[in-house]
Amino acid sequence: DIVMTQSPDSLAVSLGERATINCKSSQSVLYSSNNKNYLAWYQQKPGQPPKLLMYWASTRESGVPDRFSGSGSGTDFTLTISSLQAEDVAVYYCQQYYTSPPTFGQGTKLEIK
Amino acid sequence: EVQLVESGGGLVQPGGSLRLSCAASGFTFSTYKMHWVRQAPGKGLQWVSYITSSSSVANYADSVKGRFTISRDNAKNSLFLQMNSLRGEDTAVYYCARGETGGEYFFDYWGQGSLVTVSS
Repeated sequence: DIVMTQSPDSLAVSLGERATINCKSSQSVLYSSNNKNYLAWYQQKPGQPPKLLMYWASTRESGVPDRFSGSGSGTDFTLTISSLQAEDVAVYYCQQYYTSPPTFGQGTKLEIK
Repeated sequence: EVQLVESGGGLVQPGGSLRLSCAASGFTFSTYKMHWVRQAPGKGLQWVSYITSSSSVANYADSVKGRFTISRDNAKNSLFLQMNSLRGEDTAVYYCARGETGGEYFFDYWGQGSLVTVSS
């Protein structure tokens, strides 16, 4: 199975500041035939199910604010929130769908400083 | 509006069985792959199982293979997870999730979840 490792485990950022979450896969999730990275990001607020934010590493899901962006390729990926809002407090997960079983990172808890 | 509503969770003894259901609405259920994903209390997410739109193929995580069975009824817009020989480590919130349109293994809509507690 592909192991997904996120860093940091938790993060405190001031309102309006940038938040950066990293995700590393144990093997490349870049499929050479289509040059796509099989990597998704989810946001989970307390007491709620996860919500899809990003797929193909950098494609924003419909309705997701443009302050959220995804980058990276191969084994190293980043989710960036350009200007943190109070409603962004949540746990964020990366997930690879390059191979079965799909696997998730352990999560990064984002809080307000 | 896409809605996924799970039911059937509860407290069960080790070795027991439980059947989860997921009622889908707001989309053409019969054309989507569907998945179950679980989350142990205070822990991360673990994919459990998926089934193709026609039920022709099902796949399972190694941790549940041989004990869990996924199925669906497209006429009733419903997804099921039959869980047998339950263990303490199966305690989790079980989410029904829709596979994305292109068939890849990521999940664009999730239900609210159903809590399964395995304990004596």
